[in-house]
Amino acid sequence: AQSVTQPDIHITVSEGASLELRCNYSYGATPYLFWYVQSPGQGLQLLLKYFSGDTLVQGIKGFEAEFKRSQSSFNLRKPSVHWSDAAEYFCAVGPNAGNNRKLIWGLGTSLAVNP
Amino acid sequence: DTEVTQTPKHLVMGMTNKKSLKCEQHMGHRAMYWYKQKAKKPPELMFVYSYEKLSINESVPSRFSPECPNSSLLNLHLHALQPEDSALYLCASSQVPGETQYFGPGTRLLVL
Repeated sequence: AQSVTQPDIHITVSEGASLELRCNYSYGATPYLFWYVQSPGQGLQLLLKYFSGDTLVQGIKGFEAEFKRSQSSFNLRKPSVHWSDAAEYFCAVGPNAGNNRKLIWGLGTSLAVNP
Repeated sequence: DTEVTQTPKHLVMGMTNKKSLKCEQHMGHRAMYWYKQKAKKPPELMFVYSYEKLSINESVPSRFSPECPNSSLLNLHLHALQPEDSALYLCASSQVPGETQYFGPGTRLLVL
């Protein structure tokens, strides 16, 4: 079955600390991979995506993610967290072919940032 | 520009009311989506329009009725909703189905 797992429901980090949010997926073929962020009461903002090519992708707000095919993972990282990064983070995967291109979403990781 | 706009931002309606949510994009995208999102949960896909035709309906109750008047506009007509329909309704668009989806800010709906 196709699925996305974000193992950490909630993470708290101190401002200035590094961050890694985990995402593992189960899929028949290499999918398209996305990270979205949602601040309270807001819509979803695309942080970054992987379609093909270089497995280390850079996104907005200083985030990066690395696709590891052997581990079926697409972990999100940031070297130094800012208080404004406190939000809900969703990993999503989608098929790179076919007519029914629905995204499969992880349950999200809630990030809190201590001053 | 990757902006999707949604109106209204907030909506309170009774169970007998009829209301509509509106979504607009001017990026030339040919796929548009409606999602429902409950607090602290991922969004749930409701409908997909591809080239202005309904291509996916995720078994959504008929009290939700989507409409795509043209390639830039997407409406969601609401009628006889239930309190459990209270949620954040998100619109998204992508260049074509399966490509990167860009989301609007959402309409927060409360059904009394």
